Amino acid sequence: SQTIHQWPATLVQPVGSPLSLECTVEGTSNPNLYWYRQAAGRGLQLLFYSVGIGQISSEVPQNLSASRPQDRQFILSSKKLLLSDSGFYLCAWSVLFAAEAFFGQGTRLTVV
Amino acid sequence: ILNVEQSPQSLHVQEGDSTNFTCSFPSSNFYALHWYRWETAKSPEALFVMTLNGDEKKKGRISATLNTKEGYSYLYIKGSQPEDSATYLCAPYNNAGNMLTFGGGTRLMVKP
Repeated sequence: SQTIHQWPATLVQPVGSPLSLECTVEGTSNPNLYWYRQAAGRGLQLLFYSVGIGQISSEVPQNLSASRPQDRQFILSSKKLLLSDSGFYLCAWSVLFAAEAFFGQGTRLTVV
Repeated sequence: ILNVEQSPQSLHVQEGDSTNFTCSFPSSNFYALHWYRWETAKSPEALFVMTLNGDEKKKGRISATLNTKEGYSYLYIKGSQPEDSATYLCAPYNNAGNMLTFGGGTRLMVKP
């Protein structure tokens, strides 16, 4: 069966520090991978998606970047965090375009 | 990015009440629509994947309908229970290949 792992669960980082959130999927090959953010009081915003190794598409301009160094690994990064980067970050995968998506447990990031 | 509207933003009902909420999306080039339930402290989970105009899907007390010509979907909950309390998210796809983009969600709170 397929599983998705996302870590860490919570993170408190000072403004200006770097960020690295990791997501890995097991039990499937060549998944579509997604990073979402829920800012306080708002819905889920799609940040990045990837349809293959090294293929990253960004939905909104921001202080973040994503990378997919391996087929089932998706990393969300920032060189210098801003206060506005605080939020709840979710990783997800789907087997195909428009197929059901499965989500990780999320990371609560607080930038102080 | 698709323009997706969900209404209402939040809803308070009493246990036993039936309720419904709406997802509106661009009708052009429709491909599929997803509904997800997101309970507090958990990950979003798929409820329905709908593709055909006039589709009606049901899972227990929850059902959904789809109108692709006018660009809306309704989610119905019959006899709401406290465990139905969650945020309900919809995500439409079009043929332009956009990736899983959610509406702002409807937050449902069911009082016992």
